[in-house]
Amino acid sequence: SYELTQPPSVSVSPGQTASITCSGDKLGDKYLCWYQQKPGQSPVVVIYQDTKRPSGIPERFSGSNSGNTATLTISGTQAMDEADYYCQSWDSSNHVVFGGGTQLTVL
Amino acid sequence: EVQLVESGGGLIQPGGSLGLSCAASGFTVSSTYMSWVRQAPGKGLEWVSIIYPGGNTYYADSVKGRFTISRDYSKNTLYLQLNSLRAEDTAMYYCARGGATTPFDYWGQGTLVTVSS
Repeated sequence: SYELTQPPSVSVSPGQTASITCSGDKLGDKYLCWYQQKPGQSPVVVIYQDTKRPSGIPERFSGSNSGNTATLTISGTQAMDEADYYCQSWDSSNHVVFGGGTQLTVL
Repeated sequence: EVQLVESGGGLIQPGGSLGLSCAASGFTVSSTYMSWVRQAPGKGLEWVSIIYPGGNTYYADSVKGRFTISRDYSKNTLYLQLNSLRAEDTAMYYCARGGATTPFDYWGQGTLVTVSS
């Protein structure tokens, strides 16, 4: 089965750049999405098709995907960005696969 | 406005059954990919099942043979029937639009299923 690996936690200072990675075999050959989930809330897609931002998502969120690693980058991180982030792609059967999630702390 | 509202969760004994519903508005459930995703307490997201516009259905290995996804065109509602429930099925269950090469662009608020004696 296909697996996506994320670091359990990432810390960043306010105003700095946060980078959250997601790794998987030949991940760059697949489309990848990123979801933000705040405590007690449902997930929200912040990046889809590797690099695209849905309407309403701030420009400080960006994504890349190449080789075996995808990266979610948050520039000028704000306190409101503190949340869990999940990467998501598809396996060879087009079934959804989620990464284990990364807790982003802004301190 | 697109909206998804789940219902049907609750406390159920191991081995029991439960039916979840997801009422949709603002779009037609039968014309798009619809999925169920669950999240155990304090854990990550886990894809459970998907139904295609053409009616094909697929399941995660962890629930195959026990859960059944379906939809009702007239009620514009997605369903998930949970049978032979186990303690490890305890989770918040979300319905979401998307899932087959498309992102989950809308999520419901979730309904909590607790399997315990």
